[in-house]
Amino acid sequence: GESVGLHLPTLSVQEGDNSIINCAYSNSASDYFIWYKQESGKGPQFIIDIRSNMDKRQGQRVTVLLNKTVKHLSLQIAATQPGDSAVYFCAENIEPGTYKYIFGTGTRLKVLA
Amino acid sequence: KAGVTQTPRYLIKTRGQQVTLSCSPISGHRSVSWYQQTPGQGLQFLFEYFSETQRNKGNFPGRFSGRQFSNSRSEMNVSTLELGDSALYLCASSLDTRNTEAFFGQGTRLTVV
Repeated sequence: GESVGLHLPTLSVQEGDNSIINCAYSNSASDYFIWYKQESGKGPQFIIDIRSNMDKRQGQRVTVLLNKTVKHLSLQIAATQPGDSAVYFCAENIEPGTYKYIFGTGTRLKVLA
Repeated sequence: KAGVTQTPRYLIKTRGQQVTLSCSPISGHRSVSWYQQTPGQGLQFLFEYFSETQRNKGNFPGRFSGRQFSNSRSEMNVSTLELGDSALYLCASSLDTRNTEAFFGQGTRLTVV
C-alpha cells in the first residue's frame, strides 16, 4: 500500500536535548498533516497538526515545520524527556476534504538518560 | 468522555475463517476510519465511514469490508483470512471528515494461524 516515507527509522537522543524527526510526504496536493505518537500497546495519539497554508506551527514543546517546495515535514521536540520515547508517525491527508490518510512506517525515538 | 473503544483486544483465528471487529467512536463523532498496522508497512488506510456511508476506501482486497450503524458504531469484517492479515487493526473517530483531529482506539490484535 501507499505510505509516507521517513528518513530515520530510529533516533536516539539524550534526555534534555532537542529531537528532530523528519518525513517526506508524497502528494503535493495534500493540505493537512498530522504527527502522531504511539507508545507500546496503545493506539496513536495526536501530537500536532498543520495545514498547507502554514509553514510552522508550535505546540507545547513541539513544533511542526512544513516545506511544501520539497514535500518535507518535520517534528521538533524540545527538551526531550523519557516519556517522549515512542514511535512517531507523520500522516498526510491525500484526498483533501476526506478522511483518507497515509502514514509513514514510523520513527522510533529513544531517549537516553 | 469515553474514548474510542475497540473490541475484542486480541483475536486468534485460523486461515480461511472470517472475523468481525467492532469500534465504538467517541460520543458525537460521526466519522470512523479503519487502519491496518503491521511492522513492515506501518499504518495503512482501510476505509472510512461517515453517517453510515462508506466515503473512502484504501487499496485492500474485497475480503475487507465494513459498515457503520446509525449510532456511529462501526464494524469491519475480514473474510477468508490469510496469514498476512495478522496485524493490529485500529479505528479512529473524528467529528467530521474535514481536516480534524482523529482519536484512535487501542486496536484489535489479530493473529491468523
